[in-house]
Amino acid sequence: TQLLEQSPQFLSIQEGENLTVYCNSSSVFSSLQWYRQEPGEGPVLLVTVVTGGEVKKLKRLTFQFGDARKDSSLHITAAQPGDTGLYLCARGGTSGSRLTFGEGTQLTVNP
Amino acid sequence: ETGVTQTPRHLVMGMTNKKSLKCEQHLGHNAMYWYKQSAKKPLELMFVYSLEERVENNSVPSRFSPECPNSSHLFLHLHTLQPEDSALYLCASSQGRGGNYGYTFGSGTRLTVV
Repeated sequence: TQLLEQSPQFLSIQEGENLTVYCNSSSVFSSLQWYRQEPGEGPVLLVTVVTGGEVKKLKRLTFQFGDARKDSSLHITAAQPGDTGLYLCARGGTSGSRLTFGEGTQLTVNP
Repeated sequence: ETGVTQTPRHLVMGMTNKKSLKCEQHLGHNAMYWYKQSAKKPLELMFVYSLEERVENNSVPSRFSPECPNSSHLFLHLHTLQPEDSALYLCASSQGRGGNYGYTFGSGTRLTVV
């Protein structure tokens, strides 16, 4: 079973703090996607990474794909209450359409 | 504004009822999916349709029956559900099949089986 482990499961911080969440697997990813899900809504795609060592930035969010393509991290600088949500990573399958999701990190940013 | 619309947003049904969930996408995507999201569990893939053809059925009980009449519409027909089927049901679409294509999700249907 190709499991995705996300850590931490829960994170509660104050506005302005920095944070990093992680996504790990024992097997190599063909690609990795990060999503954010707000309460009462479906997940929204933030980024897709496909190359080992790749770094992508989206405003205050920095996404990194591990060199060995078995792990990824999401770093948020100066978190804001609007960043609150469930952050999901999903790995692409080697064939077909399957995306396998992790359980997610529930982030709460307090004003 | 999402390009994937799901109705209804909330549904309460008895175990003997029959109901249907509807999903519609206006993105021109070729693949559509049903996922189940339960508390403290990862998103579970239920069904995959590519160009209106079901290409994957992930060992889902027969009380869940999908239908894809065209590439823009996807239904999930429900009958004789169990309380453990209560969950958020999410529809998604993608331009193609494969892990490099991002998924666009709808807002989901919150289903409660009583």
